[in-house]
Amino acid sequence: EAGVTQSPTHLIKTRGQQATLRCSPISGHTSVYWYQQALGLGLQFLLWYDEGEERNRGNFPPRFSGRQFPNYSSELNVNALELEDSALYLCASSLFSANTGELFFGEGSRLTVL
Amino acid sequence: EDQVTQSPEALRLQEGESSSLNCSYTVSGLRGLFWYRQDPGKGPEFLFTLYSAGEEKEKERLKATLTKKESFLHITAPKPEDSATYLCAVQAANAGKSTFGDGTTLTVKP
Repeated sequence: EAGVTQSPTHLIKTRGQQATLRCSPISGHTSVYWYQQALGLGLQFLLWYDEGEERNRGNFPPRFSGRQFPNYSSELNVNALELEDSALYLCASSLFSANTGELFFGEGSRLTVL
Repeated sequence: EDQVTQSPEALRLQEGESSSLNCSYTVSGLRGLFWYRQDPGKGPEFLFTLYSAGEEKEKERLKATLTKKESFLHITAPKPEDSATYLCAVQAANAGKSTFGDGTTLTVKP
């Protein structure tokens, strides 16, 4: 069974540009989570989508946005990129209705803002 | 607001030298406490879920325990391949998101 897949693996942008990151969850999982992990720091919660709806949002500015598609895949958009947005962006999926809570992560997309 | 504090930040052990990692937490109604392993440049890998105080889970050389305020990840006779960052996370009841600690980076020398 395929795990969580993310694309692109690496992305280099300049300040002010926009970045789009994509995530495909494990088959059957309806929840998708996005986390930011800056170098040497912990995981910071960005967004949670379940059944196509945004369920929760972390303490990030509105230029971080996303959506979940009918096939449960998701994309994260970051507008007006700033240098401090450079980080590993991790997507995770779970079956929320299973009420178990564990997350299954992808390998991440490393965004570098120059 | 949910909080997770892990200690120590870094731990260096000799192969075979057992030790423990600590995760202290505050959460409004614990749904679950999770341990993950993260290798450099990779996404975290799920290890354990603990749901209530007194619960224990084991996997190979790892054993996780839970009290009402903290969790321990005990590593028995570690090997170099156990070197990684170990992350602790909590999820509140009726909450979809997990709150992570900053992790403990374990290095096991042969």
